[in-house]
Amino acid sequence: DIVMTQSPDSLAVSLGERATINCKSSQSVLYNYDNKNFLAWYQQKPGQPPKLLLYGSSTRASGVPDRFSGSGSETDFTLTISTLHPEDVAIYYCQQYYTRPTTFGQGTRLAIK
Amino acid sequence: EVRLLQSGGGLVQPGGSLRLSCAASGFMFSDYAMYWVRQVPGKGLEWVSAVSGDDVNRYYADSVKGRFTISRDNSKNTLFLHMDSLRAEDTAVYYCAKDGYTATASKSYFDSWGQGVGVTVSA
Repeated sequence: DIVMTQSPDSLAVSLGERATINCKSSQSVLYNYDNKNFLAWYQQKPGQPPKLLLYGSSTRASGVPDRFSGSGSETDFTLTISTLHPEDVAIYYCQQYYTRPTTFGQGTRLAIK
Repeated sequence: EVRLLQSGGGLVQPGGSLRLSCAASGFMFSDYAMYWVRQVPGKGLEWVSAVSGDDVNRYYADSVKGRFTISRDNSKNTLFLHMDSLRAEDTAVYYCAKDGYTATASKSYFDSWGQGVGVTVSA
């Protein structure tokens, strides 16, 4: 199975500042056929299911604010929130869907400083 | 609007059985693969099972293979997870999730999730 490792485990950022979360996969998730990375990001708030933010490492899901962006390729990926809003407090997970079983990172808890 | 409404969780003794349901609306159900994902409270996400849009192909995590059965009724837009021989380590919140773009249950992300139901396996 592909192991997904996120860093840091927790992060505190001031409102209006940038937040950056990293995700590393134990093997490449780049699908050479169409040059797409099979990597998604989710946001989970307490008591709620995860919500899809990004897929293909950088494509925003419908309705996701443009302050959320994703980058990276093959084994190293980054989720960036350009200016932190209060409603962004949550746990963020990356997911690889390159192979079955799909696997998730352990999560990064984002708080306000 | 896509909606996934779950039911069927609860408390069950070790070795017991339980069936989870996920009623879908707002999209052409048979056009998409569906999944079950679980989360131990305070922990991360674990994929459990997947089923193709036509209910032909079914896949399971090693941890549940031979004990859980995924199925779907496309005439009723409902996904199921039948869980047998339940163990304490199966205790978790179970989510159903919709495939982001395909019916094949392969190489995909999850663009909609149910609200989750709790399953507790305890004597």
